[in-house]
Amino acid sequence: GAGVSQSPRYKVAKRGQDVALRCDPISGHVSLFWYQQALGQGPEFLTYFQNEAQLDKSGLPSDRFFAERPEGSVSTLKIQRTQQEDSAVYLCASSPSGANTGELFFGEGSRLTVL
Amino acid sequence: GESVGLHLPTLSVQEGDNSIINCAYSNSASDYFIWYKQESGKGPQFIIDIRSNMDKRQGQRVTVLLNKTVKHLSLQIAATQPGDSAVYFCAENGEDDKIIFGKGTRLHILP
Repeated sequence: GAGVSQSPRYKVAKRGQDVALRCDPISGHVSLFWYQQALGQGPEFLTYFQNEAQLDKSGLPSDRFFAERPEGSVSTLKIQRTQQEDSAVYLCASSPSGANTGELFFGEGSRLTVL
Repeated sequence: GESVGLHLPTLSVQEGDNSIINCAYSNSASDYFIWYKQESGKGPQFIIDIRSNMDKRQGQRVTVLLNKTVKHLSLQIAATQPGDSAVYFCAENGEDDKIIFGKGTRLHILP
């Protein structure tokens, strides 16, 4: 497809399970971002890649959160030992250029529910 | 799809009227501002942006106004249509040029 694709769209996990969320950015987009959106809130920045380099991971809430983009295209956000407070929509966005452009192209998100 | 935000401030506007959505930002060093629209079950969609060297920018049916003195941003939508129903977020480039989103306003269109 032409847009940012995220999978799975919905994930239910038991507390303590590990989850992996995938993002396929728009082909050729250099920058890739992960955001976390809790119900009733705006998206909160998690981490940013430029090609395969993770330039900023200051928003990751704990060391249970890990993101990678090994070949500068597809990215995976992994959450280990999930907790109830991890329940949220995880949004991926890509951009053709650097971090200070606001025109981010978002996917539809992966909704994680931790029981 | 599920609602994006159940407890957001809501603006109700009659179809055909103009809508004005306001946003206060916190970082006086921000020099780039963006408005996003988020429909239920979807990711945010870019609407319009403005740099701090401007105080007004117009797009198709939308206008963004920036008042740096009081750190205020607004989005005006002309002739509001049912398809404009969504949650609207303002965003700014924060520290290290990360795009930081505000809390959002739900726009509800009355028939």
